[in-house]
Amino acid sequence: AQTVTQSQPEMSVQEAETVTLSCTYDTSESDYYLFWYKQPPSRQMILVIRQEAYKQQNATENRFSVNFQKAAKSFSLKISDSQLGDAAMYFCAYRSAGDDKIIFGKGTRLHILP
Amino acid sequence: DVKVTQSSRYLVKRTGEKVFLECVQDMDHENMFWYRQDPGLGLRLIYFSYDVKMKEKGDIPEGYSVSREKKERFSLILESASTNQTSMYLCASQLGHRDEQYFGPGTRLTVT
Repeated sequence: AQTVTQSQPEMSVQEAETVTLSCTYDTSESDYYLFWYKQPPSRQMILVIRQEAYKQQNATENRFSVNFQKAAKSFSLKISDSQLGDAAMYFCAYRSAGDDKIIFGKGTRLHILP
Repeated sequence: DVKVTQSSRYLVKRTGEKVFLECVQDMDHENMFWYRQDPGLGLRLIYFSYDVKMKEKGDIPEGYSVSREKKERFSLILESASTNQTSMYLCASQLGHRDEQYFGPGTRLTVT
């Protein structure tokens, strides 16, 4: 069975600095998708970034980028120039290409220090 | 703009009550999901549906049932609420299996 592990329950970063959130996953499949979701204190979960396993290039969305290491089964999220609005719970997630279900990690709560 | 709504943001029910949580999406999405979110446990899938009147069990279906009579609406039912069902419940919808999931704002249910 696939699993997603986020080893950092909480992290803090100074405003304007860079922070990296870690995620590892376990799967025997070759075709899958990886996601980072953000859940701000208001609770609505939104997709931050998505990576297809068959793409070698790391996904980037403005200040958010990933470091996808397929062989190591690692999928970390880097947030550059951290802003107060980045404070949230971040979930790493996995989905097999042929499946509808998403498997979520337990989350990392990110605090932004002014 | 994508929109998933849930009927209540906060709900307090008594043990043994029958509880209905409603979720509506206006995007003509095929798939809909119910999760519960608990501190330290992340999101766990309760049930999902990939078509009207179709349902599939997720990882923790015990104590829950679902109903999908119309494409846009997916209901989660707690037949006899118990205190261990106190949690945050999140609904999500998805156009197709290669697409992202869109989440509702969540319902925080307290069972006393």
